[in-house]
Amino acid sequence: EPEVTQTPSHQVTQMGQEVILRCVPISNHLYFYWYRQILGQKVEFLVSFYNNEISEKSEIFDDQFSVERPDGSNFTLKIRSTKLEDSAMYFCASIIGGGGLDEYEQYFGPGTRLTVT
Amino acid sequence: GQNIDQPTEMTATEGAIVQINCTYQTSGFNGLFWYQQHAGEAPTFLSYNVLDGLEEKGRFSSFLSRSKGYSYLLLKELQMKDSASYLCAVRAPQGSGYALNFGKGTSLLVTP
Repeated sequence: EPEVTQTPSHQVTQMGQEVILRCVPISNHLYFYWYRQILGQKVEFLVSFYNNEISEKSEIFDDQFSVERPDGSNFTLKIRSTKLEDSAMYFCASIIGGGGLDEYEQYFGPGTRLTVT
Repeated sequence: GQNIDQPTEMTATEGAIVQINCTYQTSGFNGLFWYQQHAGEAPTFLSYNVLDGLEEKGRFSSFLSRSKGYSYLLLKELQMKDSASYLCAVRAPQGSGYALNFGKGTSLLVTP
């Protein structure tokens, strides 16, 4: 069964450093997402991406964050200058979005645990 | 604004039935989802309602009343492996990229 993959599984970085989290969505999917989950808290929406542009972003997704689909398969989340409070599990997700019955299910990747020290 | 409420914790016995409620007040509605999340893992899809009524999927069923802003997830024949967090999420409309807005989750403990 196709799945969303994410690398790395765990990233440790120092405060102020830039990090890039990588995701490979399912190949025929059209909508891509990043969510984060701080330990013990709820899953929070960061950004949605469709047709090579951001379609929606939350208040969390400020100027420190950016997303890119550089080569038609990878979908990346960049944090320019990490803060301690960026420590969280980051999930990538994708949906088909083609209007069919399977359009509704968001497939989540296994996540990248980001630890900022 | 977005407000999604679920009980924080529930406990049930193996073999029993448990109902997890979710109420929502959101500025846009395009479907309600239930996900299961084991500790340290990604959410996995359980069920989806866009119209009022009951959707059944094996041991799991989900109900939606849009007029009441209310949904529940029903788990039957509970197994120990069902111990997990259950997340209620409301999907935004297409114009908002179909993003999911999650509740805080209900931690279910299944006991022998």
